[in-house]
Amino acid sequence: NAGVTQTPKFQVLKTGQSMTLQCAQDMNHNSMYWYRQDPGMGLRLIYYSASEGTTDKGEVPNGYNVSRLNKREFSLRLESAAPSQTSVYFCASSEALPRGGYEQYFGPGTRLTVT
Amino acid sequence: KNQVEQSPQSLIILEGKNCTLQCNYTVSPFSNLRWYKQDTGRGPVSLTIMTFSENTKSNGRYTATLDADTKQSSLHITASQLSDSASYICVVTLYSSASKIIFGSGTRLSIRP
Repeated sequence: NAGVTQTPKFQVLKTGQSMTLQCAQDMNHNSMYWYRQDPGMGLRLIYYSASEGTTDKGEVPNGYNVSRLNKREFSLRLESAAPSQTSVYFCASSEALPRGGYEQYFGPGTRLTVT
Repeated sequence: KNQVEQSPQSLIILEGKNCTLQCNYTVSPFSNLRWYKQDTGRGPVSLTIMTFSENTKSNGRYTATLDADTKQSSLHITASQLSDSASYICVVTLYSSASKIIFGSGTRLSIRP
């Protein structure tokens, strides 16, 4: 049981290049998330997927697209990278708790630098 | 506006000492509050989770408290160890929402031998 896995771990892009960050979970969770974490700030939600085939914008979706390929996989795409997208990206999945609320599980993160 | 604020931003203590981290929130309607530990270069890992009806929850040397009236939470670490060096993040979830999750910016804790 690997939990939430992300690839790649590190990436350097030039401005204008594109790339896709991959995420997979093996816990059979319906909900999956993409966050970015910048120094001195809390994690901010980029996109959210409640189930296979559905996606919703989060707090900072501009410049990103997502695909919920199946229940396991949720990918994040940068079509034209900008220096402002330099950040650490985390994928997460969640399960509903019996007494209410949700428990989130995070991947190890992808450190992206855009020059 | 829904916000989660943590203090202090950073803290340095000696190994073996206790410490308390603070979290104030303005999130409403409130569902649950969690504390996460995030080691450098890794994703956050859940330490405790409390609903609005719970006022304390322990996980080993970590004890979280919640005062829903004043909208404050604290995380107390007892007998600190070098492995406790990490960022501690307070997270509040809006009621019945899997996506409305508000993260604090964290407290960076360093334990010195």
